[in-house]
Amino acid sequence: DTAVSQTPKYLVTQMGNDKSIKCEQNLGHDTMYWYKQDSKKFLKIMFSYNNKELIINETVPNRFSPKSPDKAHLNLHINSLELGDSAVYFCASSQGDLGKLFFGSGTQLSVL
Amino acid sequence: GEDVEQSLFLSVREGDSSVINCTYTDSSSTYLYWYKQEPGAGLQLLTYIFSNMDMKQDQRLTVLLNKKDKHLSLRIADTQTGDSAIYFCAESSGGYNKLIFGAGTRLAVHP
Repeated sequence: DTAVSQTPKYLVTQMGNDKSIKCEQNLGHDTMYWYKQDSKKFLKIMFSYNNKELIINETVPNRFSPKSPDKAHLNLHINSLELGDSAVYFCASSQGDLGKLFFGSGTQLSVL
Repeated sequence: GEDVEQSLFLSVREGDSSVINCTYTDSSSTYLYWYKQEPGAGLQLLTYIFSNMDMKQDQRLTVLLNKKDKHLSLRIADTQTGDSAIYFCAESSGGYNKLIFGAGTRLAVHP
């Protein structure tokens, strides 16, 4: 039973489209994250939610809008996709403040 | 600002020890971490060290922390082919589990 699951695993789309990535965790954690990993494997935090409340919002274009309907879910909607959005997007969750993050297996987004 | 640096590539022979190094800038980090990423997968936490410790051992893994030099290392004893992966160093910065990751060190283990 997967702890942090995200869908879809692969997403190929045209520039200008709008797409969503979904994430669910069954660990009972209070905090969820979105990270972006570029082609050089550099990993950067985008957003973090704690109990459905946005607590970290890095300098991400406002075309990216996270939504947390409940503490087990954190979705990422991206408007007007651009070539530079191509990356692997990872969802993660944690409990407490020890920095023990549990990652999903990633969504590889390719914008053509 | 916050920054974590690591060398990008390390190649070792099976059975040898691997040492992956990392430097960080945020001296207020409470914990420092090593995460492992296998191909096509998300990161998984390998080990972490509290900032008031200078060494932590966990089976084949040894973490050394030099707080004065802001240097963290991960030693893997008796490296196996299954250890081939990308290893990320991370520091916690700004609370709320905001982890700052290095660029990752790709470890290749050859026979």
